[in-house]
Amino acid sequence: DSGVTQTPKHLITATGQRVTLRCSPRSGDLSVYWYQQSLDQGLQFLIQYYNGEERAKGNILERFSAQQFPDLHSELNLSSLELGDSALYFCASTPGSSNTGELFFGEGSRLTVL
Amino acid sequence: TQLLEQSPQFLSIQEGENLTVYCNSSSVFSSLQWYRQEPGEGPVLLVTVVTGGEVKKLKRLTFQFGDARKDSSLHITAAQPGDTGLYLCAGARWDNQGGKLIFGQGTELSVKP
Repeated sequence: DSGVTQTPKHLITATGQRVTLRCSPRSGDLSVYWYQQSLDQGLQFLIQYYNGEERAKGNILERFSAQQFPDLHSELNLSSLELGDSALYFCASTPGSSNTGELFFGEGSRLTVL
Repeated sequence: TQLLEQSPQFLSIQEGENLTVYCNSSSVFSSLQWYRQEPGEGPVLLVTVVTGGEVKKLKRLTFQFGDARKDSSLHITAAQPGDTGLYLCAGARWDNQGGKLIFGQGTELSVKP
């Protein structure tokens, strides 16, 4: 158990819909990262938040957005969903702002878009 | 185009065999991590290598960082079914936007009893 909690574990929805994925980082960790994992693209970095502020941005689509709340939990919002958005979405956390050290991953949220 | 290329992508072997997984790039990394991911779980860090030429051992697993810090290998001796999983390498590099961890696509290892 990494200490990172993600909900929901599984989500099935239709194209055009909007979903929200939730992440609670390890106790004391200030940084939250979101990754997308698909068979053809591997693990792709989407975005990082540190203590409520956006810290780094990766290959995140404009249809996706995220935020980190004062209690440090984070949400990833995916809208106007397409079939290609079906993937595993992972949240990870670290104590500090450095995003080159060990990442502690949650168990992921599997999104299926039909 | 992947910045970090892992090979092979899939590997199916019998218990007791040895294997090597490679992680290659044309870029230099300040450090390189290896993660293992089991089905239904998130990746878990196995090791971090920092110095060019560094070799680290974790029981039957041996990790090496290339002299030029562009590549790495993971060697497993006498593989066991419990070694089955997805092995991911991740390179750390810095640019004008700060630090980034770049993941390879992974090597799916299956060890049959």
